[in-house]
Amino acid sequence: EPEVTQTPSHQVTQMGQEVILRCVPISNHLYFYWYRQILGQKVEFLVSFYNNEISEKSEIFDDQFSVERPDGSNFTLKIRSTKLEDSAMYFCAIGQGAVGYTFGSGTRLTVV
Amino acid sequence: QKEVEQDPGPLSVPEGAIVSLNCTYSNSAFQYFMWYRQYSRKGPELLMYTYSSGNKEDGRFTAQVDKSSKYISLFIRDSQPSDSATYLCAMGDLTGGGNKLTFGTGTQLKVEL
Repeated sequence: EPEVTQTPSHQVTQMGQEVILRCVPISNHLYFYWYRQILGQKVEFLVSFYNNEISEKSEIFDDQFSVERPDGSNFTLKIRSTKLEDSAMYFCAIGQGAVGYTFGSGTRLTVV
Repeated sequence: QKEVEQDPGPLSVPEGAIVSLNCTYSNSAFQYFMWYRQYSRKGPELLMYTYSSGNKEDGRFTAQVDKSSKYISLFIRDSQPSDSATYLCAMGDLTGGGNKLTFGTGTQLKVEL
């Protein structure tokens, strides 16, 4: 059983629509992350989340993005008004520098 | 100059060969280094993790870090067709407070029968 489960595995949405990507770690963790990978490009950091607040975010993570841990187990990434260039694989990750990071299997987001 | 440089390949080797994968980096603040394996449209899978210069071995995999040269390597011995994947180096530091990882572009490896 994977340590990090992401849903949905594939999401198709129309430009301008809101999407919510979900991540469920199997066990309790303190640090959560979202990364994205545009097809054929490298994995890029979006945001890190610790103690129920953002601890660091990248330039990619603008006002259209938000993260939340609404019920203490799920960890979500919301994109308010999707753009074509938001099409990518989105990965949730857990862990920290001292012990390494585990990635989920990803959500493939396609914006049409 | 990119923070992390990695030759994208593709690299094709015969089964049983020793594979050498490498990354260079420019940020002296990087303190921990990882290698991930990624299959097409899947999440990165952690292979090796190291925090210091030197070698670390795990089965057929050896990770090597040379902080003075800002150079890291992953060696795969007795390579198998199942090792065919994209290999990503990743590194991080503790300065930003967010524990973020910076990835290389990945090297595509194909091990042929």
